[in-house]
Amino acid sequence: RKEVEQDPGPFNVPEGATVAFNCTYSNSASQSFFWYRQDCRKEPKLLMSVYSSGNEDGRFTAQLNRASQYISLLIRDSKLSDSATYLCVVNEPMDSNYQLIWGAGTKLIIKP
Amino acid sequence: DGGITQSPKYLFRKEGQNVTLSCEQNLNHDAMYWYRQDPGQGLRLIYYSQIVNDFQKGDIAEGYSVSREKKESFPLTVTSAQKNPTAFYLCASSHRGFRSSPLHFGNGTRLTVT
Repeated sequence: RKEVEQDPGPFNVPEGATVAFNCTYSNSASQSFFWYRQDCRKEPKLLMSVYSSGNEDGRFTAQLNRASQYISLLIRDSKLSDSATYLCVVNEPMDSNYQLIWGAGTKLIIKP
Repeated sequence: DGGITQSPKYLFRKEGQNVTLSCEQNLNHDAMYWYRQDPGQGLRLIYYSQIVNDFQKGDIAEGYSVSREKKESFPLTVTSAQKNPTAFYLCASSHRGFRSSPLHFGNGTRLTVT
């Protein structure tokens, strides 16, 4: 059964704090991983891909733990504009192709 | 600027009517997708197309139909056979298909059927 699980939240975090959330996946053959950001009633937008060695983009750090089958997103020095829902996406093989499995998202609220 | 355009943004229909959602992209992407998003759920794939004149069913294709006559366009028809059509519909495209290419989304169509 294909499954990508996220804590729905909401995570209520004061401005300036560091916040992290995880996403677990069930298929050990999954190939690639992404974090998307979705603002209320808007379309998802790619935040960052997740590389095996971990990667950083400004205040955002993404990590992959293949042994435990989860990816994580860490946001440092959080801003009010970081308030959004963060969607985890896993690319896994299916037959001779691939498929994207989406988590339901983690809602983050940054408070002044 | 390149992008994906979905229209209309909001759509209201009576039960029993078919409705077509438009999706156009000028990113020169080969692959296009239709997703449905419901509250508290991950995006679910309705149909996808990796090349012109070819498309495949996704996880929830029943009650929907698509066409891909041009690279730029991938319209979705929600038929009267779709039991719960009220949802947020998202069209997306990517350069190379599912393998490793991230998706670019249109701004969505919110369909309400009463």
